[in-house]
Amino acid sequence: DAMVIQNPRYQVTQFGKPVTLSCSQTLNHNVMYWYQQKSSQAPKLLFHYYDKDFNNEADTPDNFQSRRPNTSFCFLDIRSPGLGDAAMYLCATSREAQGKRNQPQHFGDGTRLSIL
Amino acid sequence: DQQVKQNSPSLSVQEGRISILNCDYTNSMFDYFLWYKKYPAEGPTFLISISSIKDKNEDGRFTVFLNKSAKHLSLHIVPSQPGDSAVYFCAASEGGSTLGRLYFGRGTQLTVWP
Repeated sequence: DAMVIQNPRYQVTQFGKPVTLSCSQTLNHNVMYWYQQKSSQAPKLLFHYYDKDFNNEADTPDNFQSRRPNTSFCFLDIRSPGLGDAAMYLCATSREAQGKRNQPQHFGDGTRLSIL
Repeated sequence: DQQVKQNSPSLSVQEGRISILNCDYTNSMFDYFLWYKKYPAEGPTFLISISSIKDKNEDGRFTVFLNKSAKHLSLHIVPSQPGDSAVYFCAASEGGSTLGRLYFGRGTQLTVWP
């Protein structure tokens, strides 16, 4: 089955210690997204890649970076995690094209990040 | 500021009856609306969507209604089944953009009891 896979499912890191979360997809979708979801809150878009073009949300902290080495993989790097960065991180993909908007996003199962 | 609001954090319904989940939005530029279902320890799964040119979309037991003048949409599940117990997220995207950037509500926990 085509899918979006996030690794690891659970990640524990120390305050200030860099951490990388990964996402891979077999859907061959051209857009990949990273969301942050804190308890009982709405998923919040951090950034997305439209093909190779990186698009940062205005309120995403500089502490968060992303890499997309190829169509299938996307990484979320948190350079110096703080206690406030503990959350569920969701990766999603969609196929977007001119004249063909409104395609549903497909989500992975998320990585739950804890900060010690 | 939350542009998509789900004001009921939880809903409890008996099996076989109708579940109605509500969602309000503030951005009049939204033109595409989606519902996602999320089980514990899994990611959100796309359920059903509706374009602003329609006021109703139906898929099996699931129907979404859109009232643009009230900036309100609802998801009806008939009949409700215990397997429908999950968190339901309402989401919307803005017209005029080439990208379907989604704005989510906080979700409603639906519990369907036997």
